[in-house]
Amino acid sequence: EVQLVESGGGLVQPGTSLRLSCAASGFTFNDYAMHWVRQAPGKGLEWVSGISWNSGNIGYADSVKGRFTISRENAKNSLYLQMNSLRTEDTALYYCAKDFNYGNYAFFDYWGQGTLVTVSS
Amino acid sequence: DIQMTQSPSILSASVGDRVTITCRASQSISSWLAWYQQKPGKAPKLLIYKASSLESGVPSRFSGSGSGTEFTLTISSLQPDDFATYYCQQYDGYTITFGQGTRLEIK
Repeated sequence: EVQLVESGGGLVQPGTSLRLSCAASGFTFNDYAMHWVRQAPGKGLEWVSGISWNSGNIGYADSVKGRFTISRENAKNSLYLQMNSLRTEDTALYYCAKDFNYGNYAFFDYWGQGTLVTVSS
Repeated sequence: DIQMTQSPSILSASVGDRVTITCRASQSISSWLAWYQQKPGKAPKLLIYKASSLESGVPSRFSGSGSGTEFTLTISSLQPDDFATYYCQQYDGYTITFGQGTRLEIK
């Protein structure tokens, strides 16, 4: 059974940093691209960032480019999102999602339950 | 960047109705489109990929069609479990964009 478990969320002040983690199990992690998708309270889904199986294809939404860094550690079946210079508009539930593909981005066949990030002074 | 526009934003319907949700892309995306269902407090669930391919385990009352810039999700006969929010998503290999969502409500 595929499982994606996010952690690392919390309440932080604007301008600070936070690192999210996603622990994957139930599939061969290094065979698939992975993503972070967020959802602000009461709003729609927003793709944040994606990373291919070998970290060769990394992409970011314009809203986080230059502030967030995605990475993965295949040996630990883990996905990460380093979030710097956080803004109030980054407040959201952050989902880890598994891609159907390994290289170019496609669609998400499995999602975690999310970790909540709240940026507020 | 490719923009995705869904319509309507809110749809009121009754059990047994046939409903259609439309998603338009700002440029051609061939058939690289997926549809998701999301219920309150839950993660999204994949319904359709590559515009018209039904994900395993998804009821056959769900169907998708379209190519290029215009796509539709159709539910042939609404069931009580179908009242939720639906999102389209384009994937061009290097970026991903979601539509703003369509909330399907009970009339």
